[in-house]
Amino acid sequence: EIVLTQSPGTLSLSPGERATLSCRASQSVSSTYLAWYQQKPGQAPRLLIYGASSRATGIPDRFSGSGSGTDFTLTVSRLEPEDFAMYYCQQYGSSPVTFGGGTKVEIK
Amino acid sequence: QVQLQESGPGLVKPSETLSLICTVSGGSIGTYPWNWIRQSPGKGLEWIGYIYQSGNTNDNPSLKSRVTISLDTSKNQFSLKLNSVTAADTAVYYCARGRGAANSYDYFDYWGQGTLVTVSS
Repeated sequence: EIVLTQSPGTLSLSPGERATLSCRASQSVSSTYLAWYQQKPGQAPRLLIYGASSRATGIPDRFSGSGSGTDFTLTVSRLEPEDFAMYYCQQYGSSPVTFGGGTKVEIK
Repeated sequence: QVQLQESGPGLVKPSETLSLICTVSGGSIGTYPWNWIRQSPGKGLEWIGYIYQSGNTNDNPSLKSRVTISLDTSKNQFSLKLNSVTAADTAVYYCARGRGAANSYDYFDYWGQGTLVTVSS
């Protein structure tokens, strides 16, 4: 199965700053089949990005995804207070689908 | 707006069977794959398996064939049974709708709120 490694484990930033989150796969992810989710305490994950760069319905354009092959990035251009949360990547190009271990974006 | 809601016992004894139901509202259970995913502090997010309206299922080999997923279209529900549970199966269990391209597996666009299942005697 494909192992996804997210870095950094924790990102300490201030509102208004740019956040750059990394997701690296142990082998190439087919056809950019990579998704990103946001999760807040006590809530289910919320889909942000699919197909590596397509925003899900209702997701603000400050969220963007990029990458291919084994290296993917989620960027939040200017952090809003509600963006401080956990973020997970997920590959769905091969079975079993797998998730990364997450990056926590916390207020500095 | 599609909504999913998990229900079932919050406590299961070791070696017994964990049973959960997911009720789908706001849309038909047809067409899409319906999934179970769990989250534990030790293993993070882990996909368990899916079912289509056709009855076609697939599950994670890591669960060593302990998984049964079934569908009741008349009630717009699908269910999970995980047998021979141990403490390692303690987790928050989510149901989720799958989406994907014709030649891919799924990402998940709608999730239930999750239900904590603890395995303990």
